[in-house]
Amino acid sequence: GAGVSQSPSNKVTEKGKDVELRCDPISGHTALYWYRQSLGQGLEFLIYFQGNSAPDKSGLPSDRFSAERTGGSVSTLTIQRTQQEDSAVYLCASSLIEGNTGELFFGEGSRLTVL
Amino acid sequence: AQSVAQPEDQVNVAEGNPLTVKCTYSVSGNPYLFWYVQYPNRGLQFLLKYITGDNLVKGSYGFEAEFNKSQTSFHLKKPSALVSDSALYFCAVRDRGTGRRALTFGSGTRLQVQP
Repeated sequence: GAGVSQSPSNKVTEKGKDVELRCDPISGHTALYWYRQSLGQGLEFLIYFQGNSAPDKSGLPSDRFSAERTGGSVSTLTIQRTQQEDSAVYLCASSLIEGNTGELFFGEGSRLTVL
Repeated sequence: AQSVAQPEDQVNVAEGNPLTVKCTYSVSGNPYLFWYVQYPNRGLQFLLKYITGDNLVKGSYGFEAEFNKSQTSFHLKKPSALVSDSALYFCAVRDRGTGRRALTFGSGTRLQVQP
């Protein structure tokens, strides 16, 4: 596609429910990142995928958070047993890895509200 | 570890005046440095980057930034601000030496340009 696509754009859920957020990166981009943007908190790194390498999960805040990337393309971020503090905008980004100098292309985000 | 500090939550400037948005960083090796901008209800967009070479980097929309190794700074500047520059600006860093691909972002600075 022309850009990074994320869905849903908005998700309201009840505390304790599981949610799945989807990211479709730019075609040909081998690296995919998830970040979380909370009000006044800036961007918090969650997880990074690069090709067939083991993902860098060092930013995941708890074991309720997991992510997978199927076929080196689409990625799903899953939050189990959601808590109110999980409310944030979840941003996905992708980048080329060849000649990579870190420029990321971001989607518009999925806004999660946990009631 | 890599980190970024944006000491100002908000910067106010009159249209036509020069603007500066401050950023300092900390890495164990040499940095890759970036600025991104986020307009209301939009994803982050890349503005400019410092990889190597000339310390003064020019980017999109007339913005520039100066890499200062001794002060570990990468301030964003523009000679003449426009009302349309009003947005949230993020500085980001990646340590070249660690091999870690994920960018670390600052907490963001809101730029408000008054007519």
